[in-house]
Amino acid sequence: GESVGLHLPTLSVQEGDNSIINCAYSNSASDYFIWYKQESGKGPQFIIDIRSNMDKRQGQRVTVLLNKTVKHLSLQIAATQPGDSAVYFCAENPPDSWGKLQFGAGTQVVVTP
Amino acid sequence: GAVVSQHPSWVICKSGTSVKIECRSLDFQATTMFWYRQFPKQSLMLMATSNEGSKATYEQGVEKDKFLINHASLTLSTLTVTSAHPEDSSFYICSARDLARGQGTEAFFGQGTRLTVV
Repeated sequence: GESVGLHLPTLSVQEGDNSIINCAYSNSASDYFIWYKQESGKGPQFIIDIRSNMDKRQGQRVTVLLNKTVKHLSLQIAATQPGDSAVYFCAENPPDSWGKLQFGAGTQVVVTP
Repeated sequence: GAVVSQHPSWVICKSGTSVKIECRSLDFQATTMFWYRQFPKQSLMLMATSNEGSKATYEQGVEKDKFLINHASLTLSTLTVTSAHPEDSSFYICSARDLARGQGTEAFFGQGTRLTVV
């Protein structure tokens, strides 16, 4: 994953709009990817995952897209709600290291009324 | 989903003292747990992998004598920050995977422990 130091990228979204959060991962051999949501002062909360043999997976109001060619993940949140305000991290699981997640830098999502 | 519980949620300690943080898997067994560290406005950084019944493996740059890890059972791992200093102040988070669910499944995270060293 990448580190951007003391500043998190911020995505400001109006309530009801769709959000798209992007993430670049580092290891082309990673075979499992997860999106987490982290609210202030809390641990990461699982949102959705995808394996490397897929390029799209849908959940409730969320969709994850995987582009292995350019090592890119995205998380789409439909009809963003105030409760979606949080920091979102993508995580990759390199092969042969089950559970050792490498996290991306994170994106702060701010939902405005 | 599976529940991972950390204790305490926050702790303030004096410089030079040691602090123990517990990570428990409440409704599943975990032979392996992971400890992460997170500074404000930053991402989670893996510190070490805790293995039940054997020594922990540490990531590069993490002092094993400073961050002692013990994984004595399938449901409990502890992280002890020894001789804590203000620069050790951080948010410590553990994770675990359900042994029974196999590979390719999500890790469950604890709620984190905010350590402040004064």
